[in-house]
Amino acid sequence: DTGVSQDPRHKITKRGQNVTFRCDPISEHNRLYWYRQTLGQGPEFLTYFQNEAQLEKSRLLSDRFSAERPKGSFSTLEIQRTEQGDSAMYLCASSRDRGPDRYEQYFGPGTRLTVT
Amino acid sequence: LAKTTQPISMDSYEGQEVNITCSHNNIATNDYITWYQQFPSQGPRFIIQGYKTKVTNEVASLFIPADRKSSTLSLPRVSLSDTAVYYCLVGDGGGADGLTFGKGTHLIIQP
Repeated sequence: DTGVSQDPRHKITKRGQNVTFRCDPISEHNRLYWYRQTLGQGPEFLTYFQNEAQLEKSRLLSDRFSAERPKGSFSTLEIQRTEQGDSAMYLCASSRDRGPDRYEQYFGPGTRLTVT
Repeated sequence: LAKTTQPISMDSYEGQEVNITCSHNNIATNDYITWYQQFPSQGPRFIIQGYKTKVTNEVASLFIPADRKSSTLSLPRVSLSDTAVYYCLVGDGGGADGLTFGKGTHLIIQP
């Protein structure tokens, strides 16, 4: 296992279209996180999963955003009716849920979304 | 919710030791302190984590005073490749409260 992977790496879409991103975490990690990052800002937490259960969602996650993690493996983040303000880097991370290294998140390379 | 405060930017030179301090005045008893490094167009990378006193690994040291209201990340003998944004996070690993990255500290290393 080589780390967290995300697909696609880049996505350009027109306003109003739906987009879906995929994240494949490190296989033995049962926590999976989604973040959004815009230029000059730190990553902003969106949501996280413990196995297949979505435990917390940020207020940033409007009803146009939905995330799933079927069977506790890979996860998808869908944005419906995209807006120009959704343009950002979407980062996925994974970690263990116990033990001293539970604070250590491993991040993927991100998916850069541009909404035109 | 423990909030962190870091300097927006710092400059140093190759070969110097760099110390970045993070303030977290309302840290909770169960909270740990974690530092990440991020290069442009990449996801953050874990550097070090600690609860109290001093922690050292192969890339950095983390100093935490007894009151735990601040922490200092120490990078020994920096090189140009240490130019990056450094983030301090505080949380108990049990939920989203420890997942606030803030704006971080932009460290610029010059020759």
